[in-house]
Amino acid sequence: SAVISQKPSRDICQRGTSLTIQCQVDSQVTMMFWYRQQPGQSLTLIATANQGSEATYESGFVIDKFPISRPNLTFSTLTVSNMSPEDSSIYLCSGGLAGGRGTDTQYFGPGTRLTVL
Amino acid sequence: SQKIEQNSEALNIQEGKTATLTCNYTNYSPAYLQWYRQDPGRGPVFLLLIRENEKEKRKERLKVTFDTTLKQSLFHITASQPADSATYLCALPTSGTYKYIFGTGTRLKVLA
Repeated sequence: SAVISQKPSRDICQRGTSLTIQCQVDSQVTMMFWYRQQPGQSLTLIATANQGSEATYESGFVIDKFPISRPNLTFSTLTVSNMSPEDSSIYLCSGGLAGGRGTDTQYFGPGTRLTVL
Repeated sequence: SQKIEQNSEALNIQEGKTATLTCNYTNYSPAYLQWYRQDPGRGPVFLLLIRENEKEKRKERLKVTFDTTLKQSLFHITASQPADSATYLCALPTSGTYKYIFGTGTRLKVLA
């Protein structure tokens, strides 16, 4: 298994500013993902963080708004840029090992609760 | 497109009873399906994985079934306890990728 930590756990930010969320895994994982979860909603995948290369973004999410880095197998950052109140959400990092038929298990961080005023 | 449906209404049951949650999916034939538990303000925690060739999987008081004909998975908690109160999510791997689609989750409340 893997233990995932995120920093910060929560933040309140002003419109137009940026926030960088850090994700640390205690063991090497093949895959790392970033999700967003609105209150009462399910998880929406933002992007797959790729080690040493550009992240792969899902439809509706772009690099200019959500730049992601993954310099090694255990660490990734997500930046929420030029924030607006619509970006208020919980941001979750997850990691998993790619098995024969995909990542059999994903381990999630505790999440970062972001409020944009 | 691939779609997952879980009952969005909260499920309230009495302590000691069996809770049954449903996950239906369409437009897809996944090789496996997962169930997660999520507590308020926390990230999801993996519970069980069941593969397409497994009809049933058990772990302590948890039981998951997977009916690929009906495109449905059932998640059971036997002898439920108030500590089982949480939101339960099902997740499917998307075809040909390492990514997952999550259902909206069903909130379970076990009453003492």
